[in-house]
Amino acid sequence: GENVEQHPSTLSVQEGDSAVIKCTYSDSASNYFPWYKQELGKRPQLIIDIRSNVGEKKDQRIAVTLNKTAKHFSLHITETQPEDSAVYFCAPRRGSTLGRLYFGRGTQLTVWP
Amino acid sequence: DAGVIQSPRHEVTEMGQEVTLRCKPISGHDYLFWYRQTMMRGLELLIYFNNNVPIDDSGMPEDRFSAKMPNASFSTLKIQPSEPRDSAVYFCASSPLAGGPINEQFFGPGTRLTVL
Repeated sequence: GENVEQHPSTLSVQEGDSAVIKCTYSDSASNYFPWYKQELGKRPQLIIDIRSNVGEKKDQRIAVTLNKTAKHFSLHITETQPEDSAVYFCAPRRGSTLGRLYFGRGTQLTVWP
Repeated sequence: DAGVIQSPRHEVTEMGQEVTLRCKPISGHDYLFWYRQTMMRGLELLIYFNNNVPIDDSGMPEDRFSAKMPNASFSTLKIQPSEPRDSAVYFCASSPLAGGPINEQFFGPGTRLTVL
């Protein structure tokens, strides 16, 4: 199957700073790259995604960048706020297994006020 | 649409008992997924269905676990007999046809299972 790794596993930042989480994957045929956010006690929810024909996508304070050659994509959060504190999961999709996402182990982000 | 519905939200049972978790996906979605989440193992895919047909059950831990999807609007995950190590949050998720304009998996609120 797809080998997915996220780094770092935990990240602490001061409010207003930027945060970057990196996800590496193994299948060069992967074609869809989402990031999910899970707040404490809640369900995972999609916050941003990108397809393989796009290098970068932004939505207000969050952005995702993709490097298909190196097989990694990253989540960027600028001007962090305490409500950004959550676990973030990358979940690339292989081209051969339509529908299924391969979730990473998650990154616990803590934003200190 | 009310989103993905799961029941019960909490279940406490004793070791050896049968547990049945239920899920109603979003209407019109083609895929249904069952996940288990624990601190130790993270978010694990147990099984997923496409148009009510099981596609991959390689994540099902052992024969004590079984899942069915008798129709497009209902799925069950059954554990018989349950063991303390089955304690976890079980999520059901659904998504539309892959390759279409929407690829998001929509998660239900989860069932928190505690086996004593």
